[in-house]
Amino acid sequence: DTAVSQTPKYLVTQMGNDKSIKCEQNLGHDTMYWYKQDSKKFLKIMFSYNNKELIINETVPNRFSPKSPDKAHLNLHINSLELGDSAVYFCASSHRGAGETQYFGPGTRLLVL
Amino acid sequence: SQKIEQNSEALNIQEGKTATLTCNYTNYSPAYLQWYRQDPGRGPVFLLLIRENEKEKRKERLKVTFDTTLKQSLFHITASQPADSATYLCALEADNNDMRFGAGTRLTVKP
Repeated sequence: DTAVSQTPKYLVTQMGNDKSIKCEQNLGHDTMYWYKQDSKKFLKIMFSYNNKELIINETVPNRFSPKSPDKAHLNLHINSLELGDSAVYFCASSHRGAGETQYFGPGTRLLVL
Repeated sequence: SQKIEQNSEALNIQEGKTATLTCNYTNYSPAYLQWYRQDPGRGPVFLLLIRENEKEKRKERLKVTFDTTLKQSLFHITASQPADSATYLCALEADNNDMRFGAGTRLTVKP
């Protein structure tokens, strides 16, 4: 059974397009995250949601908009894609609270041409 | 500014030896420190968690130490195997659910 799933796995698109990445978790967690991993493999937090409420919002361009329709889903919509947006985007989830393990999805490889 | 540094981008060792990976941090007071493993093309997978009041944690061939005075964590894999080859990430958490990752160390265990 897939714990944290993301779609699509690969996304190739042109500059200026708008795209969405979907994430779902079936672990019963109430906190979900989006991370960006760049070409240097540095994993950086973008957003964190708890019970559909935004709790972490790093310095991310407002072209990126997360949406959480319910506790089990956290989607990422990106407007006006730029070359620098090319990266691997990981969704993760955990229970709320300090010291909780985060469970990561398989990643979405985004390439902007 | 806060920094998390993993000392080596890459570490090569011979099978059977102990691999030691380092995670140093500055301008940070983490309550928890976690180590994750990441294989190519996959998401990170949790390995171990250690709290600020713990000095050492073990799990099978893995051992983690946490020295809040030195601001350092060491991650050891004893009797290393080629299957241990992966990138290992340390992650620090100061506040609830706000976890920050190091850049990772790519470990290669040669047969």
